[in-house]
Amino acid sequence: DTGVSQNPRHKITKRGQNVTFRCDPISEHNRLYWYRQTLGQGPEFLTYFQNEAQLEKSRLLSDRFSAERPKGSFSTLEIQRTEQGDSAMYLCASSLEGTSVYEQYFGPGTRLTVT
Amino acid sequence: RKEVEQDPGPFNVPEGATVAFNCTYSNSASQSFFWYRQDCRKEPKLLMSVYSSGNEDGRFTAQLNRASQYISLLIRDSKLSDSATYLCVVTGPRSGSARQLTFGSGTQLTVLP
Repeated sequence: DTGVSQNPRHKITKRGQNVTFRCDPISEHNRLYWYRQTLGQGPEFLTYFQNEAQLEKSRLLSDRFSAERPKGSFSTLEIQRTEQGDSAMYLCASSLEGTSVYEQYFGPGTRLTVT
Repeated sequence: RKEVEQDPGPFNVPEGATVAFNCTYSNSASQSFFWYRQDCRKEPKLLMSVYSSGNEDGRFTAQLNRASQYISLLIRDSKLSDSATYLCVVTGPRSGSARQLTFGSGTQLTVLP
């Protein structure tokens, strides 16, 4: 399967714990995005990478959140000291520079539940 | 006020019906407009772009009114497989957040046999 992959698909954690999610974009896609989606809402933009550079961050991305894309391929999103309000689906998307911005291909998401 | 607003529905329609969804956006400098489809517990997928001149893809027609900051999606001859949540999406102005997608909350459609 050459689509966007995300791991783990589900994560249950206790409040206060740290969690890390991984996203593997489509090969050759140099743009990578993270979104968060809560029940009954559309996805909300969190951050965007072009290659290894993090170019945009939403104000939703508090100090407890950090994202990296060290080699310009896969990306990780870490949430420190999780809170119940962090429970959501975390979606990753990728696209190729030179194509239209809307051609973002989404992965299946990581569903986080904070108890 | 949300940047992109949609009627959440749900819309329950019989097979073969025509159904229309509407969406409004608040930023007059928004650059590009789309409809995405999201099946239950799945990722969003691009359905179609929306142009000022209107565009059609089979049973689906999308229209944009920049003056009213209004986007629509019309589905004709609806099929059971059209049941999903339809997300209205805009991107920011060219000089700003042009690469992030701003989603509405979605409109839920159920097509009944």
